[in-house]
Amino acid sequence: DAGVIQSPRHEVTEMGQEVTLRCKPISGHNSLFWYRQTMMRGLELLIYFNNNVPIDDSGMPEDRFSAKMPNASFSTLKIQPSEPRDSAVYFCASSLSLGGYTFGSGTRLTVV
Amino acid sequence: AQTVTQSQPEMSVQEAETVTLSCTYDTSESDYYLFWYKQPPSRQMILVIRQEAYKQQNATENRFSVNFQKAAKSFSLKISDSQLGDAAMYFCAYRRAIQGAQKLVFGQGTRLTINP
Repeated sequence: DAGVIQSPRHEVTEMGQEVTLRCKPISGHNSLFWYRQTMMRGLELLIYFNNNVPIDDSGMPEDRFSAKMPNASFSTLKIQPSEPRDSAVYFCASSLSLGGYTFGSGTRLTVV
Repeated sequence: AQTVTQSQPEMSVQEAETVTLSCTYDTSESDYYLFWYKQPPSRQMILVIRQEAYKQQNATENRFSVNFQKAAKSFSLKISDSQLGDAAMYFCAYRRAIQGAQKLVFGQGTRLTINP
């Protein structure tokens, strides 16, 4: 198995632009999580899905952030418009019920 | 809400020696899972070890072992015979032991340096 695949690995964008981060979970995993990591705030859970349905999006910072999971093998996290304070590493992780979590390699987002 | 606290922002150890990283957590539940994750400079999050709260026996994975004290809500990680490749950020994490999607709650992390 290729593990959790995130793209792009790095993204540099200008303030005000739309940014889309992508994630392909491990086949057969039914839960998907989006985390954000910054020096100041550590690892924060943004949103998670179970069987493609959003369960808890209380960690999404504001309306500029949105996430979708149209099918079991793909999820996106979109920021529109982006701001410099959104600069962070964004991780996607997947799991199966009580199993362990597997993380992707993360996307380092820089908004200038 | 559950919380996880790592009180040591940084630790250092001499190569080949033993180091212990601390973690405490707060929960009102009796059954849960605890984890230690390693994040090297490559930023990949790697599972080091996992402990089920209902198991009294401490988990062990080669040079990595935990000291799980349920009553004290403490979950420390011991790394024996430290190697240069162990240098990384280490995160303690908690999840509820309920079927279905359950989030991982992370501590703030401990940066471990290995001195040659």
